Amino acid sequence: QKEVEQDPGPLSVPEGAIVSLNCTYSNSAFQYFMWYRQYSRKGPELLMYTYSSGNKEDGRFTAQVDKSSKYISLFIRDSQPSDSATYLCAMSRTGANNLFFGTGTRLTVIP
Amino acid sequence: DGGITQSPKYLFRKEGQNVTLSCEQNLNHDAMYWYRQDPGQGLRLIYYSQIVNDFQKGDIAEGYSVSREKKESFPLTVTSAQKNPTAFYLCASSTQGDRAGNTIYFGEGSWLTVV
Repeated sequence: QKEVEQDPGPLSVPEGAIVSLNCTYSNSAFQYFMWYRQYSRKGPELLMYTYSSGNKEDGRFTAQVDKSSKYISLFIRDSQPSDSATYLCAMSRTGANNLFFGTGTRLTVIP
Repeated sequence: DGGITQSPKYLFRKEGQNVTLSCEQNLNHDAMYWYRQDPGQGLRLIYYSQIVNDFQKGDIAEGYSVSREKKESFPLTVTSAQKNPTAFYLCASSTQGDRAGNTIYFGEGSWLTVV
């Protein structure tokens, strides 16, 4: 079993829709959770960073962490064509110097 | 501008050749990393370095080598021993390589194709 599971999609939504991206994980020691956005043929860029359980909002983006269920989500409101990219979840644990990544979900927002 | 610079962006290698991918950062980060990205497999860690003149193997180090002679530079050599080197290679860095919660920032990547 992979430590981090992420549905690869692809996911297509119309412009303006609410997008929900999700990851599950198996290691209860994970405490730090990140979402990266990766455009085609580019390096990933950090989008959201959260610690432990709870919500974090930044503009149209909301990250949620449910440690009891080992489940994290990224919500995108009012999705735009420019949001079309691959979204990677990542997480780490105390004392670690590495991130564990999901495989990424490819999102297309149709105008 | 501060950032991580990888070169070359695209590289073709013949079977049996060694190639070196460059990674330079001007963020004054202590830790640097090399990841490999393949379709459907996400990012896998090749090597990481927390400090100059020290580096550790990641999950898929076989067939690769690195050096860390300067804080800002962490080149990766893909040797002929790497059986399936065609991939997208990502260099990354972070401020605190040995503490939880450090945020990793990525370069733009290098595409390596074996011909």
